[in-house]
Amino acid sequence: AAGVIQSPRHLIKEKRETATLKCYPIPRHDTVYWYQQGPGQDPQFLISFYEKMQSDKGSIPDRFSAQQFSDYHSELNMSSLELGDSALYFCASSSPILRFNEQFFGPGTRLTVL
Amino acid sequence: DAKTTQPNSMESNEEEPVHLPCNHSTISGTDYIHWYRQLPSQGPEYVIHGLTSNVNNRMASLAIAEDRKSSTLILHRATLRDAAVYYCILSKKTSGSRLTFGEGTQLTVNP
Repeated sequence: AAGVIQSPRHLIKEKRETATLKCYPIPRHDTVYWYQQGPGQDPQFLISFYEKMQSDKGSIPDRFSAQQFSDYHSELNMSSLELGDSALYFCASSSPILRFNEQFFGPGTRLTVL
Repeated sequence: DAKTTQPNSMESNEEEPVHLPCNHSTISGTDYIHWYRQLPSQGPEYVIHGLTSNVNNRMASLAIAEDRKSSTLILHRATLRDAAVYYCILSKKTSGSRLTFGEGTQLTVNP
């Protein structure tokens, strides 16, 4: 079965640079979520989109922005990168038509900021 | 938001049952109880969810206390592949709700 696709899987950036993470949800899933997991930490919710509109916002820094496109894929844009942004970034997708609020997670993008 | 409390770690032997507890004494009537797990170097994975009644699926069983203030995830026969961090998460009834991960339980399965 198709899963959530994230790209790139690994990304190395310097401080103050920008990064763009991409997420391709499972086909027919219309909701996308972004989570950040720092080293040794639990995943923390950043932001979500439903039908291309922002549906919920968590502890996402102002330096980060995200959007969902007409084909339902989503991109997380991160600017002025800081060392503390080094983390695993997970994207998840769900559909209200399918199992209730079950979120399917991608393999994550590991961002390292040097 | 209602919080959950889980033991930091638990150990089990292979092919034995495992009971993973979760306390959620401030749960509201519209909170569903979800369990996710995160295997090493992977994204979290849905395990099971329930509201009031006990639930079974191919992966596990969920036993919910009558007052809903606690629940237990049951793995009937642990395998080495079940070694993971298990998260008990409360999520509102509305679809598309965020998942708030607390400090889950690190399950170690001994051969």
